[in-house]
Amino acid sequence: NAGVTQTPKFQVLKTGQSMTLQCAQDMNHNSMYWYRQDPGMGLRLIYYSASEGTTDKGEVPNGYNVSRLNKREFSLRLESAAPSQTSVYFCASSHLSGLNQPQHFGDGTRLSIL
Amino acid sequence: EDQVTQSPEALRLQEGESSSLNCSYTVSGLRGLFWYRQDPGKGPEFLFTLYSAGEEKEKERLKATLTKKESFLHITAPKPEDSATYLCAVQAETGNQFYFGTGTSLTVIP
Repeated sequence: NAGVTQTPKFQVLKTGQSMTLQCAQDMNHNSMYWYRQDPGMGLRLIYYSASEGTTDKGEVPNGYNVSRLNKREFSLRLESAAPSQTSVYFCASSHLSGLNQPQHFGDGTRLSIL
Repeated sequence: EDQVTQSPEALRLQEGESSSLNCSYTVSGLRGLFWYRQDPGKGPEFLFTLYSAGEEKEKERLKATLTKKESFLHITAPKPEDSATYLCAVQAETGNQFYFGTGTSLTVIP
């Protein structure tokens, strides 16, 4: 049971470089989310997609863009990476947004920006 | 502003020593409160959802309870394999976002 799969698992970038974090789920979930997790800050929502074809900003969207490619896949793009974006990024999915459905998480992408 | 606060930040227990973790929240109408377990290097793993005050859920040595202002995760006779960070999250009636606390890091010593 794959669940939520994130690639890559680790990445080191230089300031100003761009990259895309990939996320795919095989649970036929409607909603998908991108979070970042920093020490002492907890999980903070970057963007989410309540359903295929829609995306919305979360708490910390600046410096990021997202694409809901299809029902299974939701990518996060850093156009010009900054050291402040060094973090662990988690993708999550849930059956239906706004309806008490728990989120299921991938194992994260550890991103360092030098 | 919707907020979630967890305490303590860290907790060390001897194997078999029961205790409770706290999650207090302020939200404009609670849609659901969620407990997760997170192991090092892994994503959060869903444990429980609580919807209304007075509700309780149990799983093995864990029991989650909910009041109008806080939730407790009770750990009975913990084992070393219960060592992890426990996260609490709330979802408000308005909007689709989840708000997470910073977690309680639990260490159970054999």
